[in-house]
Amino acid sequence: IQMTQSPSSLAASVGDRVTITCRASQNLHNFLNWYQQRPGRAPNLLIFGASSLQSGVPSRFNGSGSGSIYTLTINSLQPEDFATYFCQHSYNSPYTFGQGTKLEIK
Amino acid sequence: VQLVQSGAEVKKTGESLRISCTASGYHFPFYWINWVRQTPGKGLEWMGRIDASDSHSSYNPSFQGHVTFSVDRSTNTAYLQWSSLQASDTAMYYCARESSNGNVQLDHWGQGSLVIVSS
Repeated sequence: IQMTQSPSSLAASVGDRVTITCRASQNLHNFLNWYQQRPGRAPNLLIFGASSLQSGVPSRFNGSGSGSIYTLTINSLQPEDFATYFCQHSYNSPYTFGQGTKLEIK
Repeated sequence: VQLVQSGAEVKKTGESLRISCTASGYHFPFYWINWVRQTPGKGLEWMGRIDASDSHSSYNPSFQGHVTFSVDRSTNTAYLQWSSLQASDTAMYYCARESSNGNVQLDHWGQGSLVIVSS
């Protein structure tokens, strides 16, 4: 399964709302996760099962979608949200990642 | 929950290597451990997973035959091993605990182990 994220990079300001899209080459039946990676750090799970918020993750992060198209929306961007975001499917092996979306400060 | 990985390694092509991932804060045999490679050019690549209860492994075909996963349940440690490194193995490697509620997700990650392979 191929995973394509868009955009590959995005510039926004604190307080903005941004949306990142992940498209799969086939129906994932909601087996889709989102991770955040800050520079020099390991990835961190944000959303699992397309829309479930991982414990401890702020509620401004929202996952949605179905079939082969999924989105991650971040409401009211905070300074700590400027990072790279990855989607990953877990529908079948191998559990492919998207190529990443780098969110930068405008 | 904590996963602590071994430190950076600098090796030559053709050499062997084993890196480790030591788990704490949960019952090690209850979860699978996944391995993920990260490079600037290819991003995050899922390498495969190992069941810590019985060492059953599932490999990404892209890595099958080149790496080996193992676990030591007496020390709560997972290992990623190469018998013959290539320059293209230069990367950051992460272990991650897999949790599952129908969906599979990587809910805790190690800090990463940097591997540099030179000729």
